[in-house]
Amino acid sequence: QSVLTQPPSLSGAPGQRVTISCTGGSSNIGAGYGVHWYQQLPGTAPKLLIYATNIRPSGVPDRFSGSKSGTSASLAITGLQAEDEADYYCQSYDRSLSDYVFGSGTKVTVL
Amino acid sequence: QVQLQESGPGLVKPSQTLSLTCSVSGGSISSGNYFWSWIRQHPGKGLEWIGYILHSGSAYYNSYLKSRVSMSADTPKNQFSLKLTSVTAADTAVYYCARADGFDGDGYYLDYWGQGILVTVSS
Repeated sequence: QSVLTQPPSLSGAPGQRVTISCTGGSSNIGAGYGVHWYQQLPGTAPKLLIYATNIRPSGVPDRFSGSKSGTSASLAITGLQAEDEADYYCQSYDRSLSDYVFGSGTKVTVL
Repeated sequence: QVQLQESGPGLVKPSQTLSLTCSVSGGSISSGNYFWSWIRQHPGKGLEWIGYILHSGSAYYNSYLKSRVSMSADTPKNQFSLKLTSVTAADTAVYYCARADGFDGDGYYLDYWGQGILVTVSS
């Protein structure tokens, strides 16, 4: 049972916008800890996509953006492309557990 | 560019100890304020952060595995290692090593990852 909850799957047509939610609580996202996002293409290691809620590492397209409000965070993908078909995970720190935690993961399918 | 590479046996017998090593190139594990981390992913499942070690040798383990995990660092070899004792089939997973960056208060994130190694626990 993940501390951070994500929808199991989402889909969209090429060019559309999809938003992945990451719902936490008062001991993690709501406590002000940063939220980070990873993209995992099939058969590969995860790749850092967004860190500190809304910062893109060098090389990540600006189609990807992050935001946070209260105890939840979101990853938006605009102009969806076939190459965006992957699993996406959020990650933060939980002070009640004193653990770094991942979200349950969301599979994005491009129709 | 920092690169990480996991190595170790791909098959471990139940009740034995899983031992993996992560070799780091393109940067020293002795420098910076990084968390040298291990993460695992059960087949078809999500990610679990097992723990991390600092260049000082201090290690922190996530609560659900704390009693069975230990980590160490070999700074001359620029490597760090994971040991997981008393393994069962439930420990079958892809194990990743990674570097975590960030700062206290905001938390750390994993910016460089190894390719992962599948470890199967079976007799």
